[in-house]
Amino acid sequence: EMQLVESGGGLTQPGRSLRLSCSASGFTFRDYAMYWVRQAPGKGLEWISGIDWSSNVIGYGDSVKGRFTVSRDNARNSLHLEMTGLRPDDTAFYYCAKDNRRGTMELQKGFDLWGQGTLVTVSS
Amino acid sequence: SYVLTQPTSVSVAPGETAMISCGGNNIGTKPVHWYQQKAGQAPILVIYSDTDRPSGIPERFSGSNSEHMATLTISRVEAGDEADYYCQVWDNRRHQVVFGGGARLTVL
Repeated sequence: EMQLVESGGGLTQPGRSLRLSCSASGFTFRDYAMYWVRQAPGKGLEWISGIDWSSNVIGYGDSVKGRFTVSRDNARNSLHLEMTGLRPDDTAFYYCAKDNRRGTMELQKGFDLWGQGTLVTVSS
Repeated sequence: SYVLTQPTSVSVAPGETAMISCGGNNIGTKPVHWYQQKAGQAPILVIYSDTDRPSGIPERFSGSNSEHMATLTISRVEAGDEADYYCQVWDNRRHQVVFGGGARLTVL
């Protein structure tokens, strides 16, 4: 069974850093682009970042560009999001998601697998 | 940046047909994907590439895409279809994923 499990969320103060991880199982992780999506309480989905299978193509949403860094370890089937300079408006559930198509980050077939999310709360 | 516009809410009686729109400039030239998110749960993919259904998604769910509007259609709506629905595309000019604001489907 394909599965994504996020970890690393919690309560932190403004200006601090946090590292999220996503552990993948049940599919050939190294073949697929992976993504981070967040959802503030009561709000809609916001795309944060994406990384292709090889880590050669990486993209960020405008609200996190320059503050967040995505990476992946294909040997360990894991995806990471390093978040720095956290702000109260970064408070959200953070989901990792898998591309429905092998290879590049062009989203031809959507995200076919999502984790259950990890909550990040930024507050003093 | 590329913007996708969805209605905030759609209401329909059980057994009727719900149509949820997603507007975008020349969206007909892009593959559109749709997600269902029930309260307290992660989203799930219900339509990809405009019209395709993942395995396990009922045939009652269908999609279309033309010119400046994509539409998710749910036939014979059931109480269990009550959820938020999001459309999604790839903005190939800015190399970003874009979500619509989401539409809440209420089953009366």
